[in-house]
Amino acid sequence: QKEVEQDPGPLSVPEGAIVSLNCTYSNSAFQYFMWYRQYSRKGPELLMYTYSSGNKEDGRFTAQVDKSSKYISLFIRDSQPSDSATYLCAMSASIGAGGTSYGKLTFGQGTILTVHP
Amino acid sequence: SQTIHQWPATLVQPVGSPLSLECTVEGTSNPNLYWYRQAAGRGLQLLFYSVGIGQISSEVPQNLSASRPQDRQFILSSKKLLLSDSGFYLCAWLRRRQGLAFFGQGTRLTVV
Repeated sequence: QKEVEQDPGPLSVPEGAIVSLNCTYSNSAFQYFMWYRQYSRKGPELLMYTYSSGNKEDGRFTAQVDKSSKYISLFIRDSQPSDSATYLCAMSASIGAGGTSYGKLTFGQGTILTVHP
Repeated sequence: SQTIHQWPATLVQPVGSPLSLECTVEGTSNPNLYWYRQAAGRGLQLLFYSVGIGQISSEVPQNLSASRPQDRQFILSSKKLLLSDSGFYLCAWLRRRQGLAFFGQGTRLTVV
């Protein structure tokens, strides 16, 4: 079983739709949860991150983390054609004593999203 | 602010030729540095990571090697490229306090 599983998609939605992207994980030590957006032929860019459980909102984007269910989501409201990209979830666990330093990220496989006009 | 530079953006190399991809980071010191490969699928495969000068950890045994000659420089190399080395190579640095990674723009390598 992979540490992080992401719905592979692809996902195709009309402009204005609400998009839900999801990942599940098995490692209970993960503490930071991230979403990256990657346009074609570009490096991933950090879209949002959340520490531990809870919600975080940034404009049309909302990230949710449910640590009890080991489940994270990214919601995109009023989706636009410019949101068309691959979305990757990622997670990190602290290393060493004190829990103030983080090592490797573990990524999901990515979901290709297409928003058509 | 921190920036990460990766070059070249695209590269076409014949089988058996050497490879050198370079990555540099500005605006931070002693970063964790990473090389990933992204093949035809969408996932990121971690190849190497480094927590300091001269310290390299390999995640996947293969035809590639990495070096970190300076604090903010990370190099991916091969002595003889294989067709299977084709892919999209990404360098990243990690903000340790939060485990957030920031990526370069990538190098698309095609081995012919």
